Order: sequence, then C-alpha cells, then structure tokens
Amino acid sequence: DAKTTQPPSMDCAEGRAANLPCNHSTISGNEYVYWYRQIHSQGPQYIIHGLKNNETNEMASLIITEDRKSSTLILPHATLRDTAVYYCIVRVGRWGTGNQFYFGTGTSLTVIP
Amino acid sequence: DGGITQSPKYLFRKEGQNVTLSCEQNLNHDAMYWYRQDPGQGLRLIYYSQIVNDFQKGDIAEGYSVSREKKESFPLTVTSAQKNPTAFYLCASSIGGEDTDTQYFGPGTRLTVL
Repeated sequence: DAKTTQPPSMDCAEGRAANLPCNHSTISGNEYVYWYRQIHSQGPQYIIHGLKNNETNEMASLIITEDRKSSTLILPHATLRDTAVYYCIVRVGRWGTGNQFYFGTGTSLTVIP
Repeated sequence: DGGITQSPKYLFRKEGQNVTLSCEQNLNHDAMYWYRQDPGQGLRLIYYSQIVNDFQKGDIAEGYSVSREKKESFPLTVTSAQKNPTAFYLCASSIGGEDTDTQYFGPGTRLTVL
C-alpha cells in the first residue's frame, strides 16, 4: 500500500535549486517524513527528516506544508553528483510495532550540465 | 571508521543452493534490517531485528532466514525455497527504541542465480 506519491522523473540544471515534491495525504499526526537518495547500485543515503517544522541540514532543506499532506525536498545548488533516485518515505508505526520504512519507486533526478 | 559492511559485493549461486549474505555494523546500533530491491523498484523489507536474539518477518520473508546472535551481525540466508532470488540485497541498521529512528544502509550485495 503506497504511503507516498512522487513524480517518476525530473531534470534540473546544474547550479540551480532542485525541488522534489512528495504527497503523503494519509499521514498520521505522529508519523515522520524521511528523504533518502540512491545512486545506481549503491545503498540508499539518508538526507533529512521532519515532523511538521521545516528542517535544514548541510545537504538539503525539507519544507512540510501546514496540513502535512505534502512536502518538498530542496537541494539548493544541484551538482552532477546529485543525480540519483530520491525516495520520500513516511515512517509507519511506532517503535516496537514494526518501525517499517516503505520505499516506493521514488523520483529519478537528473542534473544536466 | 564506523559504518555498515556487506559482503560480498557480487554473489553467484546455482539454482537449488542456499547462500548466506553477510552484514556487519560497528555503529553500536540495536536494530538491523534486510531489504530486497528489484530493478526499477523500491525496497521491500525481508526481516528485521530490534535486539539480539530476536527478529521478525517483514513483508516478503518467505524463502529467507536470519539470525541475530551478536549485536554487530545480522546474516541473511537465501534458501532454495526462494523462487526468485536474483536481486540487490541491502542491509540497514538504526539506534532503535526511538520514534525518530533513522536507518543507515550498507553498500549492498547483488545476488545472481545461474
């Protein structure tokens, strides 16, 4: 059962901001939104996560709408190394009941020189 | 240098054979996970373990087995009962016991059944 919806692919010019959207309209009040990315044939890399406030770290910013039904991952200055599949995940279940991450098919971001 | 290691990176097996994939972490994490990824697909959870000597089935546990005898290690055995074992296998770990529990992944093992 899909918990998140993402566009299958996006392009971004090198040096510009990449804005990756995600819909999670059935999110519950205590569920966090996580973002990972996966470069071909490697393990997923953690990027950022949040509950309801906007978050920023050295890699990216996460903007969550006030109703929490959608979010946007922002890579402020995309480089060729940011070309990857980006996964938006809503964590299902509190610890002890499964702690499962449901990975969908993600958004394939291509950064163009 | 802390992290999660998986070995081998590539693994070939003949049909009908069992094979064990290694996963080791030195992050002092309590929880460990195994996922499977097929081409063009997302990750699907096979098994997870929240603590030593305990583990639970994920969504696609049939044809797989695990053990968790040490905190650092969570090997996955792909048995001959797994009908379509060719896939990319990913191991992850997390601190455990928290609602904001971030999972960190190893580099993966690509298994091909000949």
